[in-house]
Amino acid sequence: DIQMTQSPASLSASLGETVSIECLASEDIYSYLAWYQQKPGKSPQLLIYAANRLQDGVPSRFSGSGSGTQYSLKISGMQPEDEGDYFCLQGSKFPLTFGSGTKLEIK
Amino acid sequence: EVQLVESGGGLVQPGRSLKLSCAASGFTFSDYNMAWVRQAPKKGLEWVATISYDGSSTYYRDSVKGRFTISRDNAKSTLYLQMDSLRSEDTATYYCARHGATLFDYWGQGVMVTVSS
Repeated sequence: DIQMTQSPASLSASLGETVSIECLASEDIYSYLAWYQQKPGKSPQLLIYAANRLQDGVPSRFSGSGSGTQYSLKISGMQPEDEGDYFCLQGSKFPLTFGSGTKLEIK
Repeated sequence: EVQLVESGGGLVQPGRSLKLSCAASGFTFSDYNMAWVRQAPKKGLEWVATISYDGSSTYYRDSVKGRFTISRDNAKSTLYLQMDSLRSEDTATYYCARHGATLFDYWGQGVMVTVSS
């Protein structure tokens, strides 16, 4: 199985700050990588797919990058509504596997 | 508007069965692969199973293989998950999700399954 190592586990950021979350795959996943945001009691929402493609309706302050085994999500200018949990997902090979998640809070 | 609405969850004893349903609307259901994803309380997300758009192919995580069966009825735009021989570690919120080229682009609101005596 492909392991997705996500870091950091938690993060505290000030309003307007730029934050980054990383996911490291145990093998090449050929950019089959998506990022999700989940708020308490809600289902996950797709932010980024194919490593760097912004899902329709997602604010442009969210961006994704990476290739091979290393991927990252960047939020350029933290907003209050960005608080929540963030997960990466690899779709290169079954079983599909998620990162362990990053809890993002406002400082 | 794409909508996915799960039902069928509840409290069940270990070893018993439960069947989840997911009613889809707002898109051509028969054009898309579909999936089930679960999340144990206060834990991360875990892919459970995927079924191809026409039902001809299914994929499962190892821990549910032989116990869970994913199926679909394209005429009813409904996805199912038959869960047999349930274990305490199957306790989770189960989400159905549309499994397209962008991976899971739409999710249901989730349904809780609790396995306990």
